[in-house]
Amino acid sequence: DAGVTQTPRHEVAEKGQTIILKCEPVSGHNDLFWYRQTKIQGLELLSYFRSKSLMEDGGAFKDRFKAEMLNSSFSTLKIQPTEPKDSAVYLCASSFLGGKAEQFFGPGTRLTVL
Amino acid sequence: AQSVTQPDARVTVSEGASLQLRCKYSSSVTPYLFWYVQYPRQGLQLLLKYYSGDPVVQGVNGFEAEFSKSNSSFHLRKASVHWSDSAVYFCAVSPDSNYQLIWGSGTKLIIKP
Repeated sequence: DAGVTQTPRHEVAEKGQTIILKCEPVSGHNDLFWYRQTKIQGLELLSYFRSKSLMEDGGAFKDRFKAEMLNSSFSTLKIQPTEPKDSAVYLCASSFLGGKAEQFFGPGTRLTVL
Repeated sequence: AQSVTQPDARVTVSEGASLQLRCKYSSSVTPYLFWYVQYPRQGLQLLLKYYSGDPVVQGVNGFEAEFSKSNSSFHLRKASVHWSDSAVYFCAVSPDSNYQLIWGSGTKLIIKP
């Protein structure tokens, strides 16, 4: 079975641009998570979907970050407009309802905002 | 509220020496407990997990962890580390099977030759 897929692996954006990161969860998984990872803040939850419904939208990230899950096998994270402080690794993870909370991670997208 | 504490941001160990990485949690119930590892430029991978039963659980690559209800801890151990164990290790908990994971801040493991 394929694991979690994330594209692109690397993204470089100018300040003020709009970028869209993509994630394909493990087939059959019900839960999907977007995290931001930085050395200072560690892992921060951006969004959490259960069966395509948004369960959490990571309060502090609401204004410029928008995650969507249009179908059960694909999710996007849009950052609009980007700022240099958004430079980080963005991780997508999925889990199976009834799978006792174990999450499976993609390789991440490293975003650099100039 | 649930919380997870990894008190050591960085641990340095000589190759071949034993290792313990500490994890303490706060929870009103015995949670599901996890250790994940993140190698450079990769996502997180599951090392081991505890749901119930024997408090010592075995994971991949010779890692094990011990759950202590009295101490609210889930420490990770390895008898003899290898240079390839250099990574960041995350402890995580969930109060039940239908809840998201709550993450510790991570411990960076550095192996000295």
